[in-house]
Amino acid sequence: QKEVEQNSGPLSVPEGAIASLNCTYSDRGSQSFFWYRQYSGKSPELIMSIYSNGDKEDGRFTAQLNKASQYVSLLIRDSQPSDSATYLCAVLSGSRLTFGEGTQLTVNP
Amino acid sequence: SAVISQKPSRDICQRGTSLTIQCQVDSQVTMMFWYRQQPGQSLTLIATANQGSEATYESGFVIDKFPISRPNLTFSTLTVSNMSPEDSSIYLCSAQDTSGGYEQYFGPGTRLTVT
Repeated sequence: QKEVEQNSGPLSVPEGAIASLNCTYSDRGSQSFFWYRQYSGKSPELIMSIYSNGDKEDGRFTAQLNKASQYVSLLIRDSQPSDSATYLCAVLSGSRLTFGEGTQLTVNP
Repeated sequence: SAVISQKPSRDICQRGTSLTIQCQVDSQVTMMFWYRQQPGQSLTLIATANQGSEATYESGFVIDKFPISRPNLTFSTLTVSNMSPEDSSIYLCSAQDTSGGYEQYFGPGTRLTVT
């Protein structure tokens, strides 16, 4: 079992729709969870962090965490073509950040 | 958030040679990290660069191949030694923000091609 697993994608949504990205993790002791966005040829950019169960909203982005189910998700509302990128889920255990394989999102105009 | 720069941004090197990548952070940070990202793949942690002590390497990475320096709280280097084509990759430096949470921020990366 991989330490961090993401829905493999690629995911394609129309402009204005909600994009839903999912992630599960294996280390039950993990405490910190992150979503990064990576455009082609660029380095990862942190877009959301979440530390406690529930929802965290930041503009069009909502991160959801369920530690009992070991599940993290990212919702992107009103998706825009500029949201087209690879989204990486990352889980912090101790000081070690482990990344999922990423989900490639395409938002079609 | 920390602003991180890396040099060089890219390089083409011959097999058997070594390349040193520099990482500079605009503020003092406790934790700095080095990652590798191979084409089409996710990030793999190479090592944690500890200030004042030896780096902590992940399984599959060794100090002889990837020596790391961390002379102060804003700077680190990664050397890729005795390179082979399999070392062709993007190498990324990151720093962990110690002002609040545990967010890590990444530098722009160094694209290395070994011929």
